[in-house]
Amino acid sequence: DVKVTQSSRYLVKRTGEKVFLECVQDMDHENMFWYRQDPGLGLRLIYFSYDVKMKEKGDIPEGYSVSREKKERFSLILESASTNQTSMYLCASSPGTGGQQYFGPGTRLTVT
Amino acid sequence: QKEVEQDPGPLSVPEGAIVSLNCTYSNSAFQYFMWYRQYSRKGPELLMYTYSSGNKEDGRFTAQVDKSSKYISLFIRDSQPSDSATYLCAMISSGAGSYQLTFGKGTKLSVIP
Repeated sequence: DVKVTQSSRYLVKRTGEKVFLECVQDMDHENMFWYRQDPGLGLRLIYFSYDVKMKEKGDIPEGYSVSREKKERFSLILESASTNQTSMYLCASSPGTGGQQYFGPGTRLTVT
Repeated sequence: QKEVEQDPGPLSVPEGAIVSLNCTYSNSAFQYFMWYRQYSRKGPELLMYTYSSGNKEDGRFTAQVDKSSKYISLFIRDSQPSDSATYLCAMISSGAGSYQLTFGKGTKLSVIP
């Protein structure tokens, strides 16, 4: 079974802090994704990566950056957290451009 | 017009009912179609994946794709309280140098015992 894990289930940070969210997949998938999910807005793509050290902006990249140094690991970074970044963050991976995405359990981030 | 439309519900049905969940889309380039189930405070779980028009069955679940009408459906037979969740449709278009995945906003389903 595909397994996608995220470093934290719940996280509380203060405004202005630098926040790292980590995602690891164990199926050698080429593609990895970061989404945020908010009530009424659905899933919105922040960034994705189709190879090591490669990244592409999604629909809402502002305020975020990513890092993919190893194939199995994709990190989302909030350089200076703000309250409007309070959300559920979901990582996913997929085996190629047409492949279905498999999601991690999510990290619920609260910025106070 | 949004690329993917999905009725947010909520939808309440009695246990044992047949449930029909639907999405419409406008982008004819979408080639791959998926349904995800998401329980509260959990990540989405892939239920069905298909890339052709027609029906695909897996246990109590049937995914239906009609590319000519740009319409996909998920049917749940003999619905159970454990089916209570939010169901998300998703669609992918991909080709040389391009990749687009779009989710519907989800339909919240409650199955009442």
